[in-house]
Amino acid sequence: GAVVSQHPSRVICKSGTSVKIECRSLDFQATTMFWYRQFPKQSLMLMATSNEGSKATYEQGVEKDKFLINHASLTLSTLTVTSAHPEDSSFYICSARDQKRGGPGELFFGEGSRLTVL
Amino acid sequence: AQTVTQSQPEMSVQEAETVTLSCTYDTSESDYYLFWYKQPPSRQMILVIRQEAYKQQNATENRFSVNFQKAAKSFSLKISDSQLGDAAMYFCAYRSAGNQFYFGTGTSLTVIP
Repeated sequence: GAVVSQHPSRVICKSGTSVKIECRSLDFQATTMFWYRQFPKQSLMLMATSNEGSKATYEQGVEKDKFLINHASLTLSTLTVTSAHPEDSSFYICSARDQKRGGPGELFFGEGSRLTVL
Repeated sequence: AQTVTQSQPEMSVQEAETVTLSCTYDTSESDYYLFWYKQPPSRQMILVIRQEAYKQQNATENRFSVNFQKAAKSFSLKISDSQLGDAAMYFCAYRSAGNQFYFGTGTSLTVIP
């Protein structure tokens, strides 16, 4: 299947700093990418839909100014957690659809990024 | 909004035996897709199997098969001849006509040697 890669896989930062997580589609172009947050032993919660060349669409309750999403190219979307606090510690996962490969509607997921805010 | 319910937080199965994971969903749409994703300890989600709602025939992928009951809005996953590598979190997912995905809360599957 198509390959989606996230970087970094783990990051530890101090409270008040900002952290950027990258999501790349390695072998296909993705006009849309999705960012999820997953708490331990819980499901994936959709945070926002990242649209190439335009503003991201955020889910209700997700702070736009805190979770900045940029989708500057067809293969890269970034999530920046600004002024991070310990409650932002979580597992963040990105995903994308490859229109030309995969079955109808299938999402391909990145490996996830574990953020720990001290 | 669509909801996806997985009523079994944890399941276990003996190696080589068969296990069924349950999933129900709520929707008013007639055209949608259903998926089962597997999340092993490495944490990367992997597609196990998919089902198009307009297809009456249940999808099968080797040892994995589904029992899709559209009227009952039920989409269970059957794993036959369970292997140690099947141990993981399994998520049922619904994709709406508007391309939004909704995930269940997951079922943690343990395979007992």
